[in-house]
Amino acid sequence: DAMVIQNPRYQVTQFGKPVTLSCSQTLNHNVMYWYQQKSSQAPKLLFHYYDKDFNNEADTPDNFQSRRPNTSFCFLDIRSPGLGDAAMYLCATSGSGSYEQYFGPGTRLTVT
Amino acid sequence: GIQVEQSPPDLILQEGANSTLRCNFSDSVNNLQWFHQNPWGQLINLFYIPSGTKQNGRLSATTVATERYSLLYISSSQTTDSGVYFCAVPGGSYIPTFGRGTSLIVHP
Repeated sequence: DAMVIQNPRYQVTQFGKPVTLSCSQTLNHNVMYWYQQKSSQAPKLLFHYYDKDFNNEADTPDNFQSRRPNTSFCFLDIRSPGLGDAAMYLCATSGSGSYEQYFGPGTRLTVT
Repeated sequence: GIQVEQSPPDLILQEGANSTLRCNFSDSVNNLQWFHQNPWGQLINLFYIPSGTKQNGRLSATTVATERYSLLYISSSQTTDSGVYFCAVPGGSYIPTFGRGTSLIVHP
């Protein structure tokens, strides 16, 4: 089945230790998104790619970076995680026709 | 930007009851999605419904785009329906704006 995959599902990192989350898709969608979701809140868009065109949301901290080496893969790098970065990180994709979004299962990040 | 409001914010039901969740949006849209976030955090697509009515088992959705609202109906609710329901509409081309969600608890 075509799908969006995120690894790892759970990630524990230490304060200040860089961490990378990964997302892959078999849907061949050209738009990929990264969201941060904290408890009892709606997902908050961090950035998105339209093909290789990177778009950063205005309020995304500089501590967050992203890479999309090809259509299938996208990475979220947190350079120096703080306690406030503990959250669920969701990856989504959409095609350029309808922009219907498909989400991966998420990575729950804990910062100790 | 576009505003999205969901109601009610919280809903508690007994198993077997029916419910209606509402999503209001402030501007015309050309697509709308309903999601269910399960207890493990995954957002599951329920409906992609820019207009009209769709049904999938016990769930159905209606979007009246001209009046800027969408409704999600859950009939004969089950404990597995518990979770948070989000609607999302495009704020600008392919960038969605999410509502704050409706948290549903279904008791056995």
